[in-house]
Amino acid sequence: ELKVEQNPLFLSMQEGKNYTIYCNYSTTSDRLYWYRQDPGKSLESLFVLLSNGAVKQEGRLMASLDTKARLSTLHITAAVHDLSATYFCAVEVRVQKLVFGQGTRLTINP
Amino acid sequence: EPEVTQTPSHQVTQMGQEVILRCVPISNHLYFYWYRQILGQKVEFLVSFYNNEISEKSEIFDDQFSVERPDGSNFTLKIRSTKLEDSAMYFCASSYSGLAGVYNEQYFGPGTRLTVT
Repeated sequence: ELKVEQNPLFLSMQEGKNYTIYCNYSTTSDRLYWYRQDPGKSLESLFVLLSNGAVKQEGRLMASLDTKARLSTLHITAAVHDLSATYFCAVEVRVQKLVFGQGTRLTINP
Repeated sequence: EPEVTQTPSHQVTQMGQEVILRCVPISNHLYFYWYRQILGQKVEFLVSFYNNEISEKSEIFDDQFSVERPDGSNFTLKIRSTKLEDSAMYFCASSYSGLAGVYNEQYFGPGTRLTVT
């Protein structure tokens, strides 16, 4: 069974700092998604990574995918308070099922 | 921009009662999904649905659960006899094609918070 593991699970950081969230998965997949979730809210799609070596950037967030290492990273540059949320990676199994990581709860302090 | 909608936003029910959670997927989408998220935990796949039948289901989706597309727009999740452990946020999602080799992003609805007392 596919396992998707994120680390860290909790991250408290100061504004202006950089940090990386890691997402490891246990079986072959070419599609990986990153979502943001605010408390009590739904899942907001951030990035879709469709192939090995894919890199996508939006504002202060950048995501990458290494399918050979079965690893994706979400890098935060010069964090701001508005980025505080829980971030999930999800790996697509076949075409009809997403398997999510446990989530990384990110808190950015002024 | 088209979006997935869900009703109700919050449902409180007593243990043993039946509940129906409703979703309206994006209109030209063909694949539909239910996920659930127990408070503070990860999102878990329940079931996928295509062409009026279940495509795949998880071990969570036991005989107490059923899904239906009663008309051209709604997609429902029924829990026949709710248990305390069914308390969770239930998300509906839809995607356009779901075909192998074709990009298939799932769009999530706002969720229904189910509280079983």
